[in-house]
Amino acid sequence: QSALTQPRSVSGSPGQSVTISCTGTSSDVGGYNYVSWYQQDPGKAPKLIIYDVIKRPSGVPDRFSGSKSGNTASLTISGLQAEDEADYYCCSYAGTYTLFGGGTKLTVL
Amino acid sequence: QVQLQESGPGLVKPSQTLSLTCTVSGGSITSDNYYWSWIRQPAGKGLEWIGRIYTSEIGRVYTSGNTNYNPSLKSRVTISVGTSKSQFSLKLNSVTAADTAVYYCARGSDAFDIWGHGTMVTVSS
Repeated sequence: QSALTQPRSVSGSPGQSVTISCTGTSSDVGGYNYVSWYQQDPGKAPKLIIYDVIKRPSGVPDRFSGSKSGNTASLTISGLQAEDEADYYCCSYAGTYTLFGGGTKLTVL
Repeated sequence: QVQLQESGPGLVKPSQTLSLTCTVSGGSITSDNYYWSWIRQPAGKGLEWIGRIYTSEIGRVYTSGNTNYNPSLKSRVTISVGTSKSQFSLKLNSVTAADTAVYYCARGSDAFDIWGHGTMVTVSS
C-alpha cells in the first residue's frame, strides 16, 4: 500500500481560503467514509481536526471543513489565520490497516 | 480526562528489538470500545501508522488481542496489552536505522483523538 497523496505545500493570505487535497484509491479514501485530518505544529503531537470525512471534534473552529469526492478527500480552511500555519495530514481507513498522507505544509503569507 | 504517555529506551542497537509501552491514565483500554494504535514519524517526515489493538471486558471476561498491522511492518511488529489494563505495548524486532523516529501511541483506529507526547527512539550502535 502507498501513502495517500497530498501536495507538499500550500499557501494563502490571512482571511483567504485554502484547500488541501488527499488522493487515495477505491480501497481506502474512496471505499470508506473514514477520512480524518490532523494539524501538527513543530515538535508537537498531531491534533485531530476532522473525522469521518466531515465531522469536527468539539473545540475545532468551523473554519475547518472536510469533504470527499470519489477517491479524493479535501480539507478547506476558510478565513485563514496566522495560527493556522502548520503541517496537515490526512488519514484513511483501509480495512485491515490505516494510511496517512505524506503531509502538506501550510504557509500563511 | 484520558491521557497517554509513551515510555521505553531512547536508544536501540541495530538488529535488536525496540520495545515501548503506552500508559493510559484517566481511563481503561478495555472500556468504551476503542482501538489503541501506535504511529511513528521520522525526523522531518510524515506520519506512518504501525498498528492497532482492540480489547474489551464484559463482566469479568477479558478479551484481548484483536490486532491489525501495517503490511510493510507486519513481519516485525507485535502490539499487545500489558498485565495492567492501563497499558499496551509495541515490539518491533530486527530494527535498522530506518526505524529511527518519534513513536506515538494514540486512541483510535482511523481517527486518533488522543495522542501521547511521543518518544524519540534512535537506532544506532
